[in-house]
Amino acid sequence: EAGVVQSPRYKIIEKKQPVAFWCNPISGHNTLYWYLQNLGQGPELLIRYENEEAVDDSQLPKDRFSAERLKGVDSTLKIQPAELGDSAVYLCASSLGLAAFSYNEQFFGPGTRLTVL
Amino acid sequence: SQKIEQNSEALNIQEGKTATLTCNYTNYSPAYLQWYRQDPGRGPVFLLLIRENEKEKRKERLKVTFDTTLKQSLFHITASQPADSATYLCALVSFQKLVFGTGTRLLVSP
Repeated sequence: EAGVVQSPRYKIIEKKQPVAFWCNPISGHNTLYWYLQNLGQGPELLIRYENEEAVDDSQLPKDRFSAERLKGVDSTLKIQPAELGDSAVYLCASSLGLAAFSYNEQFFGPGTRLTVL
Repeated sequence: SQKIEQNSEALNIQEGKTATLTCNYTNYSPAYLQWYRQDPGRGPVFLLLIRENEKEKRKERLKVTFDTTLKQSLFHITASQPADSATYLCALVSFQKLVFGTGTRLLVSP
């Protein structure tokens, strides 16, 4: 069974440029997460989708970040414009079950390492 | 304020010994706690889930305890191997989302 797929693995951009990350979750997983992970820190939730609905985006900086999950499968996270402080690893994860099963294990992709110059 | 604390310093042990990692939390009342392993350049991988009414959970060489009075979880790896070297993250389930600690890096030397 294929795991969570993310692309690109690495991205280097100049500040003020836009950038997009793509995630394909494990087939059948209805919940999808985007996390941000800074060096030496644990992942921090940016947004959680249940099917195609964003049910928790309270930590998403909405002035520059946006996300979508069309048809409840793949998802894209966008930053526009990027700032120096956005340099981090962006992780996508998926899990089975909805909110009532929030204790279910999450399956993570390898992440996209973003460097903003 | 809410905090999840794990030792920020790396834990160095010799092969064959038991590694014990600590996760302390403040101002959370989690019903579940999870442990993940993360290797460099990879996403976290789920290891174990423990519920608040479980004192201890085992899986092969891994053992997790959960003390809701002390607000602490301990993660043990017995008969450690160099392949166990990684960062280990604890995560609480709080308001339907996982909140991660900062992780502890474990180094097992031959």
